[in-house]
Amino acid sequence: IAGITQAPTSQILAAGRRMTLRCTQDMRHNAMYWYRQDLGLGLRLIHYSNTAGTTGKGEVPDGYSVSRANTDDFPLTLASAVPSQTSVYFCASSVGRGSGANVLTFGAGSRLTVL
Amino acid sequence: GQNIDQPTEMTATEGAIVQINCTYQTSGFNGLFWYQQHAGEAPTFLSYNVLDGLEEKGRFSSFLSRSKGYSYLLLKELQMKDSASYLCAVTDSNYQLIWGAGTKLIIKP
Repeated sequence: IAGITQAPTSQILAAGRRMTLRCTQDMRHNAMYWYRQDLGLGLRLIHYSNTAGTTGKGEVPDGYSVSRANTDDFPLTLASAVPSQTSVYFCASSVGRGSGANVLTFGAGSRLTVL
Repeated sequence: GQNIDQPTEMTATEGAIVQINCTYQTSGFNGLFWYQQHAGEAPTFLSYNVLDGLEEKGRFSSFLSRSKGYSYLLLKELQMKDSASYLCAVTDSNYQLIWGAGTKLIIKP
């Protein structure tokens, strides 16, 4: 089934630990995104990638890093987790970026709790 | 700054009609989206408006007025499964997507 797969679904993590959230898509979309969603706030963009080999910073990039070695994979790494990074993380993809009619397809989300 | 406003929560009755409003102030405009998000799930695309007017898609319609910075999502013949959050998002002049906080719609029998 075409779509986006995220892993893990849920994780509890001790502060200071390193964590990588995985994201894989099989739709051959060029653009990929990482968002965090917190209660009462809109989706906030962490990092994005317009195409394989390129990445860019979103609205809230501090404490996070990404890589885009190929079209399908876009992992998000927390180098040293802090409690404020407790959130639900969504990976998304779209055919391209830079178009108004840019429909996003989302993964199921990864719920991360940092203690 | 860029801002999107929508009501936090709305309640409606099964079988009725509900209108969810969204107002926006962004640097430029390249389209407005509505997404549906059931609790604990991912957002899914509902509609896209770039020109003024009404776009109808089954029980759901979305309206846009660019001069007023205003959109609404109209849901007809409400069903219990329509209980969800509805997210309004605008693409600005840099093609960045700006998201509202979402409107939680509660459907009562």
